[in-house]
Amino acid sequence: AQKVTQAQTEISVVEKEDVTLDCVYETRDTTYYLFWYKQPPSGELVFLIRRNSFDEQNEISGRYSWNFQKSTSSFNFTITASQVVDSAVYFCALSAAMDTGRRALTFGSGTRLQVQP
Amino acid sequence: NAGVTQTPKFRILKIGQSMTLQCTQDMNHNYMYWYRQDPGMGLKLIYYSVGAGITDKGEVPNGYNVSRSTTEDFPLRLELAAPSQTSVYFCASSGLAVYEQYFGPGTRLTVT
Repeated sequence: AQKVTQAQTEISVVEKEDVTLDCVYETRDTTYYLFWYKQPPSGELVFLIRRNSFDEQNEISGRYSWNFQKSTSSFNFTITASQVVDSAVYFCALSAAMDTGRRALTFGSGTRLQVQP
Repeated sequence: NAGVTQTPKFRILKIGQSMTLQCTQDMNHNYMYWYRQDPGMGLKLIYYSVGAGITDKGEVPNGYNVSRSTTEDFPLRLELAAPSQTSVYFCASSGLAVYEQYFGPGTRLTVT
């Protein structure tokens, strides 16, 4: 069975602070995919990043960066110099590899980030 | 390119009523999914489809039915609405070579 744990229920920061959202996962698959999605107050789900289990290289996209560590089963997300527009619920998700046929996402319970001006 | 569209946006049902939530995607994706999101929780998979004519149950299928007669459409049917089905419902799709899922805007359903 797969499981994703986001232990931080809610985080509040002041604008321009850096913030890291934690994600820990469990899976028996040797090949899998990890994702982060953003859910702003408007309610839609916005895809941010996908990471393959065989690629542990960290990734940076503007103010966003992701740290994938297979040894600790973690896929953490850092926002540098946070802005009010970053206020949202962020979900970490896990999917089995393509050859299982299903590819459905297992979601964590989400972390609500509030960025105060 | 509209992506994934869902109708209606909001709906209030009485206990025992039935309804169909519509989902359409225009990206020619093979995979389609229905999730529900309860307050303060992550999304849970209700049903999924790997192509037209092929559907299967997810984690929480009880009280729901689906069909997939075309690549584009994946409607979700609630036959006898119950208060436990009050939730936000999201439809999503993904392609054969695209593993990330793209979500519709959601349908907020209240059963009273």
